[in-house]
Amino acid sequence: EVQLVESGGGLVQPGGSLRLSCAASGFTFSSYDMHWVRQATGKGLEWVSAIGTAGDTYYPGSVKGRFTISRENAKNSLYLQMNSLRAGDTAVYYCARALRDTSGTLDYWGQGTLVTVSS
Amino acid sequence: EIVLTQSPATLSLSPGERATLSCRASQSVSISLAWYQQKPGQAPRLLIYDASNRATGIPARFSGSGSGTDFTLTINSLEPEDFAVYYCQQRINWPYTFGQGTKLEIK
Repeated sequence: EVQLVESGGGLVQPGGSLRLSCAASGFTFSSYDMHWVRQATGKGLEWVSAIGTAGDTYYPGSVKGRFTISRENAKNSLYLQMNSLRAGDTAVYYCARALRDTSGTLDYWGQGTLVTVSS
Repeated sequence: EIVLTQSPATLSLSPGERATLSCRASQSVSISLAWYQQKPGQAPRLLIYDASNRATGIPARFSGSGSGTDFTLTINSLEPEDFAVYYCQQRINWPYTFGQGTKLEIK
C-alpha cells in the first residue's frame, strides 16, 4: 500500500525557517517524481515544488529562492526546506507522488502538515 | 502561467442527478488536464488524468472530456459521497496550476 506521511510543520515567526519531511512507503520511491502542494485554510491548491527522478527541481515564482526541495532515495524521503517564511506561506503542505510517465498528475497524497507563519 | 477558470463556483444538485463541471484554460493544455476531488479535512484524490482517463478505483459514473482549452467533468447519477470540491489541474507547462475549484453541494 502506498503511503506518504508528512512531518515537520508547526508555528514559525516571519523570516524564520522550517524543514518539512515526507516518508514514503509501498512503492519504489526512486522511480517517481515527487511534489509539494499547499493549501491555505479555505482556499485552493497551489503547487510549491517538484523534483524529478534525476534530481531536477522546479519552483513557482512565489517560492523560488526561498524554498528548496530535495530527496534522499536511500531513506525513501522527500524534503522541503523553507526559508524567509512569510505570513502568506501559512498553509497545509501536502507531499504527493506523480503518476509514472505523466509527471504532474498526482495519484497519491499524504494527509498534510500545517505550517503557520505568525509572530 | 496558465490560468484555469472553473465554473460554476458552486453547483447545487440532488442525489441521482447529473453534474457537469467546466474548466477553461487561458491557453491550450492539449489533453494534459486532471481532475481531483477533495472532501473537508482530506487530501485531494485523483479522479481523471489526461482529460479522459479514470484513475485506479474511480467509479464509472465519473467521466472527463475535452482538449485544448475547454474541459468537462461529468458525474452521472450523483451519490451522497460525491458532494465535495472539485479541482482541475494542468501539467503541460511549469508552474503546474489548479483551477479555483467548484463546490458541489446537496440541494
